[in-house]
Amino acid sequence: AQSVTQLDSQVPVFEEAPVELRCNYSSSVSVYLFWYVQYPNQGLQLLLKYLSGSTLVESINGFEAEFNKSQTSFHLRKPSVHISDTAEYFCAVSRASGGSYIPTFGRGTSLIVHP
Amino acid sequence: GAVVSQHPSRVICKSGTSVKIECRSLDFQATTMFWYRQFPKQSLMLMATSNEGSKATYEQGVEKDKFLINHASLTLSTLTVTSAHPEDSSFYICSARGPQGAPSEQYFGPGTRLTVT
Repeated sequence: AQSVTQLDSQVPVFEEAPVELRCNYSSSVSVYLFWYVQYPNQGLQLLLKYLSGSTLVESINGFEAEFNKSQTSFHLRKPSVHISDTAEYFCAVSRASGGSYIPTFGRGTSLIVHP
Repeated sequence: GAVVSQHPSRVICKSGTSVKIECRSLDFQATTMFWYRQFPKQSLMLMATSNEGSKATYEQGVEKDKFLINHASLTLSTLTVTSAHPEDSSFYICSARGPQGAPSEQYFGPGTRLTVT
């Protein structure tokens, strides 16, 4: 089985400042990794994913995450945040093979961007 | 990207009544659909996995007689909360996976807010 730890439940930051949302996972097998964003009273939207290949993955709105196998981490970063980035962010992990690919979600990190 | 819809988006019902929530994949055939429950400020808890034409697989601790799941077609799954109680109030989210079954093909609906009074 796999598990996900999001170390920060809430991250307040000022607009245009950089931000990092931390995610660590544990698994005995190869994994796929995901970040989802959830705006208030909405479902989850896939932000970015790591399946294979380059360990640095990027989203279209400026977020990036780097898969670090040795540290079992998949931290999410953005060099300059906007007010509109205020949302709940979930890290998720699923088996890469031999399973049903059902993701396990972290508890979520609330990103609060202040003007 | 693929679109998954849920109906209704919000529902208020009285204790003891049943409520049905629909989940539809609008532009693709979903061989597998998932139902999640989310409490305020918490993560998603997987309730059950349903495959078209077969019985749903429930996670440990989820009452299958209380949360009835039907996956009658490749584009529709329903969750019926029977004899609802206030503790069933929650945000219910469905997701659907395309025919390739790849993990990157899981698409989430917008959620349904259930309030039981």
